[in-house]
Amino acid sequence: ETGVTQTPRHLVMGMTNKKSLKCEQHLGHNAMYWYKQSAKKPLELMFVYSLEERVENNSVPSRFSPECPNSSHLFLHLHTLQPEDSALYLCASSQEAVGTGANVLTFGAGSRLTVL
Amino acid sequence: GENVEQHPSTLSVQEGDSAVIKCTYSDSASNYFPWYKQELGKGPQLIIDIRSNVGEKKDQRIAVTLNKTAKHFSLHITETQPEDSAVYFCAASSNDYKLSFGAGTTVTVRA
Repeated sequence: ETGVTQTPRHLVMGMTNKKSLKCEQHLGHNAMYWYKQSAKKPLELMFVYSLEERVENNSVPSRFSPECPNSSHLFLHLHTLQPEDSALYLCASSQEAVGTGANVLTFGAGSRLTVL
Repeated sequence: GENVEQHPSTLSVQEGDSAVIKCTYSDSASNYFPWYKQELGKGPQLIIDIRSNVGEKKDQRIAVTLNKTAKHFSLHITETQPEDSAVYFCAASSNDYKLSFGAGTTVTVRA
């Protein structure tokens, strides 16, 4: 596999469920990101990991919990979500670690989340 | 923080015609301006970017122009083709990872 792979592609969950989104990058990149994409709105940066260390938590509610066990994998753990959390969640990676210059993002195809 | 506004939100063009998308930004410290293209069912993909020390950049049928004084930048697509149909996002950044995106422009190329 090449690029950035996200699973599952589609997820439907109730407000009391606990689920996780997974992202894997096969590019040898040093930084990984979670973005939220809602219809007709700008992409919202949620979390940034650089060399497996979280460097950004963009005022995201605690019902979203990221995990980066190594530089190739990124998870987003979900619990007690609200219907307004329904969106496309995009994972991205970039070559350089944060602080070393402008980074070109490589995005995955996203995980479409529906909260009932 | 940075605020990026993008216009128009939708754009329909005849195949072979040109398409222009405009973005404005608020933070005068912004120095990096990428454009991403998102096709249906896929994630956004970088198509061209420009830095603040350059006024224009071209790559085959696409070009980006930057006016730092007016704080706006534009994407130009010439000789549009059906495969140019997608959602296009502009973005701006004053540091190396925190991109502020516009809301996107849905471009439809009519055959």
